[in-house]
Amino acid sequence: GESVGLHLPTLSVQEGDNSIINCAYSNSASDYFIWYKQESGKGPQFIIDIRSNMDKRQGQRVTVLLNKTVKHLSLQIAATQPGDSAVYFCAENNQAGTALIFGKGTTLSVSS
Amino acid sequence: DAGVTQSPTHLIKTRGQHVTLRCSPISGHKSVSWYQQVLGQGPQFIFQYYEKEERGRGNFPDRFSARQFPNYSSELNVNALLLGDSALYLCASSLQTSMNTEAFFGQGTRLTVV
Repeated sequence: GESVGLHLPTLSVQEGDNSIINCAYSNSASDYFIWYKQESGKGPQFIIDIRSNMDKRQGQRVTVLLNKTVKHLSLQIAATQPGDSAVYFCAENNQAGTALIFGKGTTLSVSS
Repeated sequence: DAGVTQSPTHLIKTRGQHVTLRCSPISGHKSVSWYQQVLGQGPQFIFQYYEKEERGRGNFPDRFSARQFPNYSSELNVNALLLGDSALYLCASSLQTSMNTEAFFGQGTRLTVV
């Protein structure tokens, strides 16, 4: 079946540290991946995406890495801030390309 | 420009009742998808609509139905509500039907079934 999983349910870091959130996916045919941030009581907020023809993509303070060999996705957040505290989900498109498949999420806690 | 808007924000229903949730996509977006998010889990795909046609359906019972209107807004209907239907219902809009472009979510409708 299609599924996306995350390695750690929680991650605690100090303000200013770099954070790395990992995700393993199972569908080798997926060609599109997204990271979302979800704060309590809100909908998922788009952070960054990457297509399967890329290994790395950078945004503002965030970098996504894609390793298709081991089907692994990671989100790196530089200089983590208290406002980055949230649940982070990775998602991949399904085989039909009609839906996103989400993992269970990693809760990032940033202490100052 | 407004983002994806959903209404209502919160709703309490009794078992067996029916509920209708509404979504307005980002202006210019023709695709609307619905997701159910149970507490502590990631969103689960329910439906995708594009140009008023159903393009994808997740593993949900027939009690769940949806439609898309000419202005691309959408409704999700759930009949014969069960306690297990309590969840955050999310709507996402995107430009295309193929989920290989950015999809933006609304704030969701929190449904509680008692």
